[in-house]
Amino acid sequence: KQEVTQIPAALSVPEGENLVLNCSFTDSAIYNLQWFRQDPGKGLTSLLLIQSSQREQTSGRLNASLDKSSGRSTLYIAASQPGDSATYLCAVWDGGGFKTIFGAGTRLFVKA
Amino acid sequence: EAEVAQSPRYKITEKSQAVAFWCDPISGHATLYWYRQILGQGPELLVQFQDESVVDDSQLPKDRFSAERLKGVDSTLKIQPAELGDSAMYLCASSAGLAGGGYNEQFFGPGTRLTVL
Repeated sequence: KQEVTQIPAALSVPEGENLVLNCSFTDSAIYNLQWFRQDPGKGLTSLLLIQSSQREQTSGRLNASLDKSSGRSTLYIAASQPGDSATYLCAVWDGGGFKTIFGAGTRLFVKA
Repeated sequence: EAEVAQSPRYKITEKSQAVAFWCDPISGHATLYWYRQILGQGPELLVQFQDESVVDDSQLPKDRFSAERLKGVDSTLKIQPAELGDSAMYLCASSAGLAGGGYNEQFFGPGTRLTVL
């Protein structure tokens, strides 16, 4: 059964710092991995989608990498800003179960 | 910009009552998903539709939950009777095709926050 883990569960950094969020999954048979942002009490906003054949995707200050063989993905945020404060979730499309499996998220707080 | 619409945004109900949530996906999106998110956890898939057909409802508690997408466009999720443990955020998402195929990003609506008293 596919399991997705995100470490750390919470992170507090000063403004301007570069940071890395981690996502690991137990079964490498995935079709894609998607990173989301969720503000308190709101829905999810899609940040980046990486296909299983890709190694990374970039959007602005965000860069996501995927190492399918080791079951890991990282989300790199450059020059963090207070507006980046939110919960970041990763989700894999599981080839075995043919459905999306989410991690519990990393809660990020960027201090001004 | 096209968005997934959900209503109501908030719902408070008493135990044993019936509740219903509505979702309108992005126009042209064939696949629609309902998720449940408990505070502090990631969303958990309840049901997914391809057009009007159910693709997966293995996690849907069918004794009290039902979902339909009659014309392959908007969808309704119903709970009857509601229980205290159903208090959660109910999220709807859509994608152009099944999320496992091609560049099929999932796009989420704002969610419905359900509180069962």
